[in-house]
Amino acid sequence: TQLLEQSPQFLSIQEGENLTVYCNSSSVFSSLQWYRQEPGEGPVLLVTVVTGGEVKKLKRLTFQFGDARKDSSLHITAAQPGDTGLYLCAGNSGGSNYKLTFGKGTLLTVNP
Amino acid sequence: KAGVTQTPRYLIKTRGQQVTLSCSPISGHRSVSWYQQTPGQGLQFLFEYFSETQRNKGNFPGRFSGRQFSNSRSEMNVSTLELGDSALYLCASSWGGANYNEQFFGPGTRLTVL
Repeated sequence: TQLLEQSPQFLSIQEGENLTVYCNSSSVFSSLQWYRQEPGEGPVLLVTVVTGGEVKKLKRLTFQFGDARKDSSLHITAAQPGDTGLYLCAGNSGGSNYKLTFGKGTLLTVNP
Repeated sequence: KAGVTQTPRYLIKTRGQQVTLSCSPISGHRSVSWYQQTPGQGLQFLFEYFSETQRNKGNFPGRFSGRQFSNSRSEMNVSTLELGDSALYLCASSWGGANYNEQFFGPGTRLTVL
């Protein structure tokens, strides 16, 4: 069974601070996705990383896929209250496997 | 393009009853996946349908079942409800290819079992 461990589980910071959340596994994934979920809503896809070592930027968010494609990180610069939400990583093992394996998420609260 | 829609948004049932949830995918998407989300277990995969066929199934009991229609709309059914079935049930649609498998989620159905 493939597992994705996310850390930290909870994070509460002040507006303007930087933060990094991690997503780790002992399994190799063909691609990894990051989602953000707000209360009462479904997860919204932020980014997909495919190549080992890949770095993608989305405004103040920077996503990195590990060289071995077993781990990933999300770094937020100058966090804002609008960044508050549950951040989920999800791995796709590819091939004929059509399901995503999700981590349990990091609940981020950015206080004004 | 309209997003994924799920009905109903909220549902209250009692133990032993059964429930049917509905999901309409994004137009053109042929794959629909269902997930159960609880605070303790996070998002857990239930099953995935593509062109009316179940392609993949998670580790849930047989009380959980689903189907997909020719227009790609999908339903999931839970029979003999238990208190532990209380959760947010999420549906996600995608094109259906294995690569990337980027999924687009609906807002979910919040099921409460009393």
